[in-house]
Amino acid sequence: SAVISQKPSRDICQRGTSLTIQCQVDSQVTMMFWYRQQPGQSLTLIATANQGSEATYESGFVIDKFPISRPNLTFSTLTVSNMSPEDSSIYLCSVGLPEAFFGQGTRLTVV
Amino acid sequence: AQKVTQAQTEISVVEKEDVTLDCVYETRDTTYYLFWYKQPPSGELVFLIRRNSFDEQNEISGRYSWNFQKSTSSFNFTITASQVVDSAVYFCALRDSGGYQKVTFGIGTKLQVIP
Repeated sequence: SAVISQKPSRDICQRGTSLTIQCQVDSQVTMMFWYRQQPGQSLTLIATANQGSEATYESGFVIDKFPISRPNLTFSTLTVSNMSPEDSSIYLCSVGLPEAFFGQGTRLTVV
Repeated sequence: AQKVTQAQTEISVVEKEDVTLDCVYETRDTTYYLFWYKQPPSGELVFLIRRNSFDEQNEISGRYSWNFQKSTSSFNFTITASQVVDSAVYFCALRDSGGYQKVTFGIGTKLQVIP
């Protein structure tokens, strides 16, 4: 299994600002996935990030709101832009096939 | 489209009782993978087991066992002699084997084990 490090582990942000979440993996992976888990809810896939190409976004998620970078095979960032309280969630990055392994998550609170 | 249904949103049991968490899935793929994850109060997601669609053997790992039945599209999880440390949210998930390989999660079952 891969070791996945996410930063920050938690943050409290003002509405209207942006937060960039980093995900570092200890091995090279082709696909990285970003999920959102709203309070008391299940995980919802935001987008799939492949190195060297644009991320593929799920229905309901757009690049302007959740821009993703994937500069190499071990690193990715997810930015939550122009935040509102509805963006308060846990954001998780994931790698691995077929079973997915997850970082410890970023707990975001927007006030 | 893929779908995972966990009909039990919350279960409470007394310590040492056995408990079964139900999972029913839908997929058009003939090759797919099923998983169970545990999410304790600390929030991290812990991988418990993977099952391939072509392998219907049941599996036991300590107090945990899994029953996979393709005929009923179910992948149930049983904890024997439950312990307080088993208190967590448990997610059943499905991944197809195609190029996209998206994982679809159920809504989760919150298990509370009462001492």
